[in-house]
Amino acid sequence: DSGVTQTPKHLITATGQRVTLRCSPRSGDLSVYWYQQSLDQGLQFLIQYYNGEERAKGNILERFSAQQFPDLHSELNLSSLELGDSALYFCASSVEVEGSEAFFGQGTRLTVV
Amino acid sequence: DQQVKQNSPSLSVQEGRISILNCDYTNSMFDYFLWYKKYPAEGPTFLISISSIKDKNEDGRFTVFLNKSAKHLSLHIVPSQPGDSAVYFCAASGTDKLIFGTGTRLQVFP
Repeated sequence: DSGVTQTPKHLITATGQRVTLRCSPRSGDLSVYWYQQSLDQGLQFLIQYYNGEERAKGNILERFSAQQFPDLHSELNLSSLELGDSALYFCASSVEVEGSEAFFGQGTRLTVV
Repeated sequence: DQQVKQNSPSLSVQEGRISILNCDYTNSMFDYFLWYKKYPAEGPTFLISISSIKDKNEDGRFTVFLNKSAKHLSLHIVPSQPGDSAVYFCAASGTDKLIFGTGTRLQVFP
C-alpha cells in the first residue's frame, strides 16, 4: 500500500459526459501529480500541484482540469469525454516539488462508451 | 517531444542472468532520475533513483548507472528472478516535472 488513495477504481461513462477523479496523497506529501496511461502507452504527465498551487503542466487537454484543495487532496476533472479518453489515470504524491520519489495510487480506469 | 525514451519495448532474460534496461533523455536540466516497476492492475512502485551528481547507485540486486555525457541511464538487475517480470519505467525529474519513459516489459523465464 503506497498510501495514495484514488477513487473510484473503475468508471464507465458515455461520450460527452463529465467525470471527476479523486486523489488523496500520502500523509505529509505536498506535491500531487496526475498521469494518463492509454493502452500500450507510457505514463503521460498531465499536471502537477504543490501545496495547492499548479506547478507544472504537461500534455493536458483543455477539456481537462485539476485542482488541489487546502487539505491537499486533488481532483482531476474530465469533460466532453471522447472515446479516446479511455485510459488509466494515475495520481502520485511526493514530499517535495522535485528530487524525491513519487508514490502512486492504484489508478482509476476510465472507460468511455 | 519525448524527453525520456525507452527504446526497447520488451526484454526477455533467463532466471539468474543479468537484466539491463536502458533509458535515454534529451533534457540536460534533469537533475534526478528514477526507476519504477509496474505490475498489471497496480500503480507503479518506486525502485531506485540516482542524482545527476552521481554515476552509480546500488541497492541490493539493483544498480542504476548514469552517463551524463551520453544522456543515458541503465538499470541492472543481477541476478534476475521470475518475480522481476514487470514493466519498468524510467523517469526524470526537473523543473517541477516528473517525466516518464514509455516503459520496457521485462520477462524473466526459468
